[in-house]
Amino acid sequence: GNSVTQMEGPVTLSEEAFLTINCTYTATGYPSLFWYVQYPGEGLQLLLKATKADDKGSNKGFEATYRKETTSFHLEKGSVQVSDSAVYFCALRGSNTGNQFYFGTGTSLTVIP
Amino acid sequence: NAGVMQNPRHLVRRRGQEARLRCSPMKGHSHVYWYRQLPEEGLKFMVYLQKENIIDESGMPKERFSAEFPKEGPSILRIQQVVRGDSAAYFCASSPGLAGTTKNIQYFGAGTRLSVL
Repeated sequence: GNSVTQMEGPVTLSEEAFLTINCTYTATGYPSLFWYVQYPGEGLQLLLKATKADDKGSNKGFEATYRKETTSFHLEKGSVQVSDSAVYFCALRGSNTGNQFYFGTGTSLTVIP
Repeated sequence: NAGVMQNPRHLVRRRGQEARLRCSPMKGHSHVYWYRQLPEEGLKFMVYLQKENIIDESGMPKERFSAEFPKEGPSILRIQQVVRGDSAAYFCASSPGLAGTTKNIQYFGAGTRLSVL
């Protein structure tokens, strides 16, 4: 079946530190992969996506590369800001599951000045 | 173009009462999804609906929970005889339903936070 596994949090970093949030997946076929971000008290917002192997999604300084050989889609940012404090969710949409999305459990990030 | 609208944002119910959560999808979207987020946990899929049809309800509890997406009006998630364990944030998402295309992204509402006293 389809599933997503994220590194457990919470993660606390100092401003301008390097961020990595690990995400691995299990899926049949060729899924599309997503990172969503949830700011306090709000719903989820799409951060970036990749639809095929070796694609790199990027947005707001965040990047993630679709690695089929390691079934991973790790989220990275070179220099985090306090405003990046949020919960980050990795998700996949299976190639044979229509519109169904599968989400990881989320990783809470706190950036301190 | 308004986003996904959920109301109410906060809902307080006593044990045994009914909770009705509403979701209006983005304009042009015909597919709606409901998720539950329990405290300190991730999103759990509940149900996927198209207009007047339930496509996948594999994540719905067998009792007390129901969902609909009528031809006219918002999608409704209904919880009968609520218990304290139902306290959670309930999120609705919508998509254009273009299965198999890169445009098929889910857009989320701000959620309804249900508190059961």
